[in-house]
Amino acid sequence: DSGVTQTPKHLITATGQRVTLRCSPRSGDLSVYWYQQSLDQGLQFLIQYYNGEERAKGNILERFSAQQFPDLHSELNLSSLELGDSALYFCASSVDSTLNYGYTFGSGTRLTVV
Amino acid sequence: EDQVTQSPEALRLQEGESSSLNCSYTVSGLRGLFWYRQDPGKGPEFLFTLYSAGEEKEKERLKATLTKKESFLHITAPKPEDSATYLCAVQAANYGQNFVFGPGTRLSVLP
Repeated sequence: DSGVTQTPKHLITATGQRVTLRCSPRSGDLSVYWYQQSLDQGLQFLIQYYNGEERAKGNILERFSAQQFPDLHSELNLSSLELGDSALYFCASSVDSTLNYGYTFGSGTRLTVV
Repeated sequence: EDQVTQSPEALRLQEGESSSLNCSYTVSGLRGLFWYRQDPGKGPEFLFTLYSAGEEKEKERLKATLTKKESFLHITAPKPEDSATYLCAVQAANYGQNFVFGPGTRLSVLP
């Protein structure tokens, strides 16, 4: 157990629908990162939050949004889902500096859009 | 454009057969190069951070090295439990705390 908790583990939904993925960071970590991993794209950075505020944005689609709550858990909202959104979605957390220890990843949410 | 590539894409070794995985990068202002191990259906697990050319780090059967353009992950006398995908990632000066990940090398160690 890495200490980063992601729910649900698996999600199957239809095109056009909206889903919410949840992440609880490791105790004491203030930063939360969301990554998408698909077979053809590898791990792609989506967005980072630090202590409730958006810190950095990567290749995140406009149909996707995220937030970090006062208790530091984060949610990734995916709407108007398309078949191509099927992927593993990982959340990671870190203390303020990542250089020495990198990120700690959760075990991911596997999203299947049918 | 910053880029991280890894080779080979896949590698099959016999137990005890040592080898190396390569990570090549082109970024400006490298702050750190990271190696992760990922088991199927799980999140990547942090292995090493390397900061500057010439640096080496070791952990059990794994040894990571860094030059100005690439990093190697040497696996000595691997065991079947070393089978996983090995990812490298770079952090550059203009990335903040974010990484660019390579596509990974899928390692299979046969008993």
